[in-house]
Amino acid sequence: GEDVEQSLFLSVREGDSSVINCTYTDSSSTYLYWYKQEPGAGLQLLTYIFSNMDMKQDQRLTVLLNKKDKHLSLRIADTQTGDSAIYFCAANRDDKIIFGKGTRLHILP
Amino acid sequence: KAGVTQTPRYLIKTRGQQVTLSCSPISGHRSVSWYQQTPGQGLQFLFEYFSETQRNKGNFPGRFSGRQFSNSRSEMNVSTLELGDSALYLCASSMGQSNEKLFFGSGTQLSVL
Repeated sequence: GEDVEQSLFLSVREGDSSVINCTYTDSSSTYLYWYKQEPGAGLQLLTYIFSNMDMKQDQRLTVLLNKKDKHLSLRIADTQTGDSAIYFCAANRDDKIIFGKGTRLHILP
Repeated sequence: KAGVTQTPRYLIKTRGQQVTLSCSPISGHRSVSWYQQTPGQGLQFLFEYFSETQRNKGNFPGRFSGRQFSNSRSEMNVSTLELGDSALYLCASSMGQSNEKLFFGSGTQLSVL
């Protein structure tokens, strides 16, 4: 399987919470990242978490890490139209950063 | 501080040609990484340069090469272009320490006809 896997699409109503899930394979990954890509742009780092943490909160963003299951999630509270983008989960492996294929978040009015 | 700058923004080439893409990292950053982004494969790591030396390499054929200059600017070259090389090529810079945050440019969209 892929090193970093995430679902490809998510639709959420404006004002609801969005939860984007990701799994990774390398248990030695020490850093896990969430990046956001808007149309026509490069990737922007949203947040990251060390593997010795299980939660990190930053304003509307909450990252949860289950190291035992190698599962990472990103929760966006009060989703807005400006949150519409592709969200990439990434993990470090062998001094490289490996990305998932991205989850396209679609906001419903 | 200026961000990561990639030129050109768009490029159209034909099969068999070669192409050179340029990346200027954030001032003070010594590491430049290159990624290929396609709808089917997502982001694939090409290589990373640090202090003018290739430090890491992904699983791409030898047609893909790169270099880094003393001012940390980097170029990547693709020779004998194939249709499947059509992609968004992203450059990312960092200070160069392991497991660091990457800062991405807007990419070069390459179309091979």
